[in-house]
Amino acid sequence: AQSVSQHNHHVILSEAASLELGCNYSYGGTVNLFWYVQYPGQHLQLLLKYFSGDPLVKGIKGFEAEFIKSKFSFNLRKPSVQWSDTAEYFCAVNPLAGGYNKLIFGAGTRLAVHP
Amino acid sequence: GAVVSQHPSRVICKSGTSVKIECRSLDFQATTMFWYRQFPKQSLMLMATSNEGSKATYEQGVEKDKFLINHASLTLSTLTVTSAHPEDSSFYICSARAPGDTQYFGPGTRLTVL
Repeated sequence: AQSVSQHNHHVILSEAASLELGCNYSYGGTVNLFWYVQYPGQHLQLLLKYFSGDPLVKGIKGFEAEFIKSKFSFNLRKPSVQWSDTAEYFCAVNPLAGGYNKLIFGAGTRLAVHP
Repeated sequence: GAVVSQHPSRVICKSGTSVKIECRSLDFQATTMFWYRQFPKQSLMLMATSNEGSKATYEQGVEKDKFLINHASLTLSTLTVTSAHPEDSSFYICSARAPGDTQYFGPGTRLTVL
């Protein structure tokens, strides 16, 4: 079945540690890719997105993500996390082929950063 | 920019009653809005796509007669949960697609059906 997979359900890091959250999808063809963040008690916010062009995209708050087409992946990275990055992170894919025009979400990764 | 609001943020209702949730794009026009449902500690599940001026498109397994969607204007979509039952208790989230194909999300509505 076509899906979006986030391999890490829970991640615990200390401040200043590096972060990488995996995201793989199984849709063929052209896709738009997104990472959203949901801070505790808040709504989903867009971190970054990839539509085309440079596969390394930079988002807000020091986050970046790399689209690797051959691996169907769009991993999220941050070189040095802060306590304020504690949140849930969702990868989402918009499969453009076949008339789709909607977001399919991964299960989310809950990140806890300890001071 | 790109702010989406939802009202109410929380609602408690008795079983059998209907509840209406509003979703508004505050600073842009959205021909397409989306309604999601989020269960505790789970991801967002798309329920339906709301199209301004036409019928909503429902995902498989979502009862269109139970979850009525009306996209009356370019800035407003409503979701009405009809004859609500306790199993409809959930967190309902809307999003609006802005020009450029990015979705912006509302803060969600927590529905509790007693």
